[in-house]
Amino acid sequence: SQTIHQWPATLVQPVGSPLSLECTVEGTSNPNLYWYRQAAGRGLQLLFYSVGIGQISSEVPQNLSASRPQDRQFILSSKKLLLSDSGFYLCAWSSDLTEAFFGQGTRLTVV
Amino acid sequence: RKEVEQDPGPFNVPEGATVAFNCTYSNSASQSFFWYRQDCRKEPKLLMSVYSSGNEDGRFTAQLNRASQYISLLIRDSKLSDSATYLCVVNDSGGYNKLIFGAGTRLAVHP
Repeated sequence: SQTIHQWPATLVQPVGSPLSLECTVEGTSNPNLYWYRQAAGRGLQLLFYSVGIGQISSEVPQNLSASRPQDRQFILSSKKLLLSDSGFYLCAWSSDLTEAFFGQGTRLTVV
Repeated sequence: RKEVEQDPGPFNVPEGATVAFNCTYSNSASQSFFWYRQDCRKEPKLLMSVYSSGNEDGRFTAQLNRASQYISLLIRDSKLSDSATYLCVVNDSGGYNKLIFGAGTRLAVHP
């Protein structure tokens, strides 16, 4: 069966520090991968999605970047965090035209 | 116009009530539709897919109206445990499975 792992669960980082969130998927090949962000009390905003290794599409201009160095690994990064980067970050995977399955999320607080 | 729109609620209903949520989407070429449930501070989880012919899963019924570009979720005999945020999800077909989430409708079931 397929599983998705995302870590860490919570993170408190100072403004200006770097960020690296990692997500890995097991039990499937060539998944579509997604990074979403959810601000407190708001909906999910799609940040990045990837249909294959090295293929990243960015949905919104922002302070973040994403990489997919391996088929089932998706990394969200920032060189310098802003206060506005605080939120609940969710990694997800799907096959074509199917539902998405989420990791447990990372709650990031930038202070 | 937002790609996926939902009434944010909250819908406050007593146990045993029937409640319905609607969601409209803007891309007429969308092919896949889902309802997700999200509990407070947790990741979204798939509630049910929405099929063209409509589908039912226990107390939950989902309908798709392609002509009017909306999907609906009906919950019968509401339980306290149904309290959550319900997210409408639509795929943005374009050769890949980019999933767009609505902001969610909050449901609170009270005794």
